Parts: sequence; C-alpha cells; structure tokens
Amino acid sequence: GDSVTQMEGPVTLSEEAFLTINCTYTATGYPSLFWYVQYPGEGLQLLLKATKADDKGSNKGFEATYRKETTSFHLEKGSVQVSDSAVYFCALSDRSGGSNYKLTFGKGTLLTVNP
Amino acid sequence: NAGVTQTPKFQVLKTGQSMTLQCAQDMNHNSMYWYRQDPGMGLRLIYYSASEGTTDKGEVPNGYNVSRLNKREFSLRLESAAPSQTSVYFCASSVAGHAYEQYFGPGTRLTVT
Repeated sequence: GDSVTQMEGPVTLSEEAFLTINCTYTATGYPSLFWYVQYPGEGLQLLLKATKADDKGSNKGFEATYRKETTSFHLEKGSVQVSDSAVYFCALSDRSGGSNYKLTFGKGTLLTVNP
Repeated sequence: NAGVTQTPKFQVLKTGQSMTLQCAQDMNHNSMYWYRQDPGMGLRLIYYSASEGTTDKGEVPNGYNVSRLNKREFSLRLESAAPSQTSVYFCASSVAGHAYEQYFGPGTRLTVT
C-alpha cells in the first residue's frame, strides 16, 4: 500500500537558518504530493503541492520538487523565521479505486525556530 | 466562507458514553473525511465519504460510525467510548480528484476517562 516516510523531529533551528525536511514515498501509479503545516492548536493547512514529476511547489518561501526517480518530495526554505515554528506533514494522494482519493500522511516533523 | 467547521471543540466523556462529532463544509465539496491525530502517529483516516450517499472505512474504523447527512454535513459517532479513543479528531473536505488538496477543520479534542 501507499506510505510516506518523513524525517523524525524535532528539528530546532536558529532564525535565518536553512531548512530541509526529508520526505520519501511509496505508491502505485502517479500520486500527487503535498506538504501541510499545522500551527499550535490549529487544523492542518496546505502549504504547497505538486501533481506530476519534476513539478516544483512553492509558497511562503518554502519549496519542494516532485522527484519520481528518487520517490522524494523534500521541503526546503532558505531562511526560516520564528513564525515558521509548526508541525509539517508530507502526504500523498493516489487513486484507491473509483473516485476515492485518500491522503496518506507521514508522521509529522516538529520544527522549532529560535530567535 | 467559514470553510470546514467542527463541533464541539472540546469534549470529555466517561468510558461507555456515546457522542456525535459534527462537521460541516460550505465549499460545495463532494468528498469528506474524518481523521484522528495521536502523538507520533500522524493522521490516520477513520472513515471517508467520496460523495453524498456513500461512506467507506479508512485505516482505523473500529468503534466509530459515520453519517453523510447531505452534501454539507458528515458526522462521526462513538457508540461506546473507550480510553483508546482519546485523540484529536479532524474533519476535512475536498473536491473529488487526486490532484486536489483537502481542507481541514479546527479539530475536536476528545478525552475519554
């Protein structure tokens, strides 16, 4: 079945540091890939997505490239801010038959950015 | 647009009690989902409804039932709550299609004692 593996946290960085959170996946077919962010006490919000190989998703300074050859979708940001402190989830969506498009999530990575 | 709304925000139950978590979306989405979030486990799908009138089991359906009341509303029922169901529950909705993201509600924090 489908699965997503992302680097375990927690990750602690200083403000303006470079961020990478690794994500690899296993899926049949050609999934769409997503990064979601969860701020403390809130629900998940879509951060960015990519729907086919070599697509780059970007938003709020974050980027991730859909690499089919390495089955990866690593999240990067060049200069993190304190406000980026949150839990980040990698996810994929693949057809499971008919019109059922379910998301499979990684376990999440807690990022803390210190001033 | 309110997006996805969930009630209640917090709930404490005793073992064996029942309750229904409510979810509604105003985005005219076809598909709706219920997840639970536990520390170190990510989000796990409980049930989903690909379209009005259909529901299917997800990864962890035992102990739960769902009702897709209409296109807007999708409720989750715990018939006899157990301490193992202590969790944060999220409802989500989406346009039908694997390229489309899901929109999440703010969550319900449930404690079963």
